[in-house]
Amino acid sequence: ETGVTQSPTHLIKTRGQQVTLRCSSQSGHNTVSWYQQALGQGPQFIFQYYREEENGRGNFPPRFSGLQFPNYSSELNVNALELDDSALYLCASSPGQENEKLFFGSGTQLSVL
Amino acid sequence: RKEVEQDPGPFNVPEGATVAFNCTYSNSASQSFFWYRQDCRKEPKLLMSVYSSGNEDGRFTAQLNRASQYISLLIRDSKLSDSATYLCVFTGRGGATNKLIFGTGTLLAVQP
Repeated sequence: ETGVTQSPTHLIKTRGQQVTLRCSSQSGHNTVSWYQQALGQGPQFIFQYYREEENGRGNFPPRFSGLQFPNYSSELNVNALELDDSALYLCASSPGQENEKLFFGSGTQLSVL
Repeated sequence: RKEVEQDPGPFNVPEGATVAFNCTYSNSASQSFFWYRQDCRKEPKLLMSVYSSGNEDGRFTAQLNRASQYISLLIRDSKLSDSATYLCVFTGRGGATNKLIFGTGTLLAVQP
């Protein structure tokens, strides 16, 4: 296993609600990236956190926000949920900004009804 | 043109077959290239990096063609356990600082 844990594993919400997803990075990893993977698609980059600061953002609206804590764990928050937000949300940690050592958690499957 | 294009498959091949996937990318400034493997309902896992000179890891060979802007993955002597989705991945300008760009994946099904 990668040592990256995500919670919850599955979540069902209704349109307009807010959701918080959590990720614990592998020990020693100070960089966390979040990705959204819709059914039949590849993962899409949401944003990255490095030492508690946002370090790059993909093409996602401001209602997608995040945090990184001093222990390098991270949260992804999504406000005003839309049906198209239904997807697998993947967290990946790395020991610094080295893409070759990107370790993914098993993801949170979010369903918006 | 899309940032990255992959044939979604599925590729249905018998055990022992050789199969090849290609992936084209549009950003000529891309610095690093990878192949990831994703099993059904699981997270992606790094299979191998792709180097300019080409590289091999057991039954897997990866190649990069910068002039034509594509990468390829060759799998020899396919095993049932190779059945998965293979994602081509690359970084944008600046290399390792930010996002990985994933293709939509190619589904491989190895038949007994």
